[in-house]
Amino acid sequence: GENVEQHPSTLSVQEGDSAVIKCTYSDSASNYFPWYKQELGKGPQLIIDIRSNVGEKKDQRIAVTLNKTAKHFSLHITETQPEDSAVYFCALGEGNKLVFGAGTILRVKS
Amino acid sequence: EAGVAQSPRYKIIEKRQSVAFWCNPISGHATLYWYQQILGQGPKLLIQFQNNGVVDDSQLPKDRFSAERLKGVDSTLKIQPAKLEDSAVYLCASSSYHSYNEQFFGPGTRLTVL
Repeated sequence: GENVEQHPSTLSVQEGDSAVIKCTYSDSASNYFPWYKQELGKGPQLIIDIRSNVGEKKDQRIAVTLNKTAKHFSLHITETQPEDSAVYFCALGEGNKLVFGAGTILRVKS
Repeated sequence: EAGVAQSPRYKIIEKRQSVAFWCNPISGHATLYWYQQILGQGPKLLIQFQNNGVVDDSQLPKDRFSAERLKGVDSTLKIQPAKLEDSAVYLCASSSYHSYNEQFFGPGTRLTVL
C-alpha cells in the first residue's frame, strides 16, 4: 500500500523560531495532503491541507508547500509559540482514504 | 457543531477478555472510520463505513475485531479476545459526503491490555 515518510521524528526549537516538517511519498495518485496536530490525550486535529493543483497554501503562521514532481510536501510554522508543542502528522489522501506518517514531536522552548 | 464523541475514554482489561468501544460521529456525516494508533505511530485505518455499509475493512484483524454501524449513525468496535499487542488508542473519525477528504477525529479510547 501507500507509504509516507515523515522527518524529523522530533524537533526542538526556541520560541519565535521557525519549524519545518517534511513528508515524502511514492504514490502519484495521491491528490490531497493534510496536516494534523495531536495534543496529549486528544484526537488529531486538521490544521491545514493542500490539494494537488496548488503549490502552496498559507493560514496565518502555518503554511504547507507541495512539490508533486519531487513527491514531497512540507509544513512550515513561523514565530513558534509554546502552544505549538504537539505531535504533527502528515497524511496522504486518495478519495476519502488517508494514510498517515509516523509523526513529528515538536517542542517549543520558551 | 458537536464533534465526534467516543466512549469510554480509557479501558484496562486483561488479555483474552473482550472490550467494546462506541462512537457517535458528527451529525450528518455519512462516512465513519475507526483507526488504531499505537504509541509513537500515526493512526492506521481499521475499517471505513459509508452510511451503514462497509467500504474498506482490509486492515481489520477479523479473527478478533468486529465493527458495526447500525442505522448509519453510531458505531461500535469490538475486540474479542484481546491480545497484549492490541494496547493502543482507538480513534473514530467522520467525514461528510461533500467534503469527504476532511476527516474529523474524536478524542479516542486508550486501551491497555495486561
